[in-house]
Amino acid sequence: DTGVSQDPRHKITKRGQNVTFRCDPISEHNRLYWYRQTLGQGPEFLTYFQNEAQLEKSRLLSDRFSAERPKGSFSTLEIQRTEQGDSAMYLCASSNKLRVGNEQFFGPGTRLTVL
Amino acid sequence: GQQVMQIPQYQHVQEGEDFTTYCNSSTTLSNIQWYKQRPGGHPVFLIQLVKSGEVKKQKRLTFQFGEAKKNSSLHITATQTTDVGTYFCAGQGIYNQGGKLIFGQGTELSVKP
Repeated sequence: DTGVSQDPRHKITKRGQNVTFRCDPISEHNRLYWYRQTLGQGPEFLTYFQNEAQLEKSRLLSDRFSAERPKGSFSTLEIQRTEQGDSAMYLCASSNKLRVGNEQFFGPGTRLTVL
Repeated sequence: GQQVMQIPQYQHVQEGEDFTTYCNSSTTLSNIQWYKQRPGGHPVFLIQLVKSGEVKKQKRLTFQFGEAKKNSSLHITATQTTDVGTYFCAGQGIYNQGGKLIFGQGTELSVKP
């Protein structure tokens, strides 16, 4: 499978715990995005990387959220001290800057439930 | 900040009827993309529109980009049950070089056979 993969697919945690999600983009894609989606809403932009550099972060993103892409390949999204409001689907997408169209390829997402 | 509004939120049609969803941005866009998300699935890219007034067709789907590059529409002719899902427009701002997309709320389409 050469698509975007995410792990885990589901995560249930208790309020106050830390969680970490992983995203593996399509191998030749140099851009990687994180979005959050709640029921009945469109994906909401969180942050994006070009290679290993984090170039933009949403102002809505709490300082409890941090993302890394250490070698310009896979990325991790960590949420510290989770709150019930963090419950959502976390989507990762990748694209190739050099490809005309900038279409983003989404992974299956990680569904987070905070109890 | 940039906002993208999409209407209607839901559309229920009989199979064979047409369907249209509309998208409006608060700011001028560099381009607009459309995605489809099946129930339980993830967004899948359909098309990108870049030029003012552009119209593109994919079989029964017709996509339009407004002259002012602030609005767009997706029209499906003669819907089929395979068209079921949520359709999102997503805009990229003209000052955004990184490809960040601002999504609309989506239009959920259900098709009754």
